[in-house]
Amino acid sequence: DIQMTQSPSSLSASVGDRVTIACRASENIGSYLNWYQQKPGKAPNLLIYGASNLHSGVPSRFSGSGFGTDFTLTISGLQPEDFATYYCQQSHSTLRSFGQGTKLEIK
Amino acid sequence: QVQLVQSGAEVAKPGASVKVSCKASGYSFSDYYIHWVRQAPGQGLEWVGWINPKSGGTNYAREFHGSVAMTRDTSTTTVYMELSSLRSDDTAVYYCARDLYTRSRGGWNYYFDYWGQGTLVTVSS
Repeated sequence: DIQMTQSPSSLSASVGDRVTIACRASENIGSYLNWYQQKPGKAPNLLIYGASNLHSGVPSRFSGSGFGTDFTLTISGLQPEDFATYYCQQSHSTLRSFGQGTKLEIK
Repeated sequence: QVQLVQSGAEVAKPGASVKVSCKASGYSFSDYYIHWVRQAPGQGLEWVGWINPKSGGTNYAREFHGSVAMTRDTSTTTVYMELSSLRSDDTAVYYCARDLYTRSRGGWNYYFDYWGQGTLVTVSS
């Protein structure tokens, strides 16, 4: 099974900051990496698919990069509504798996 | 519009079973797999498994083999997930999600574009 590891587990930042969240796969997954945002009490929302493709309706301040085993999610110019938990997920294997999550908090 | 509507909260005793439903609408039901994802209180997302609505074929995460069964009813465009031999650590919100696929340079991208609202299953004596 493919293990996904995110870092950091939590992150404090201010409105307007640029933040980066890392995700590492236990084996080569090509570009089959998705990012989701989840707010308390709500279902996750898709942000990025295929490592770098912005999902419809997602603001352009979100971007993704990476290939193989190392990936990043970058948020440029944090907005108040961006404080949430972020998860990476691999779709290389039919047995999908998520990272443990990164909680982004207001400093 | 695409919608996935899940059944309401459940309370069950240890050792019992529960069946959670996810009704799909707004798209061709047979064209996209449905996945289930679990989230224990205060914890992260855990992938449970998927069902192919067209064939009924399933695939489960290793840790759920023997305790989860996914089925579907094409006449009502509903998928079901039955959890059996429940334990207290099965207490969680369970989400269903549609697995969309799009062409990419190297093949196909798969990702969860629509999610149900979640169903809380509480296991308590």
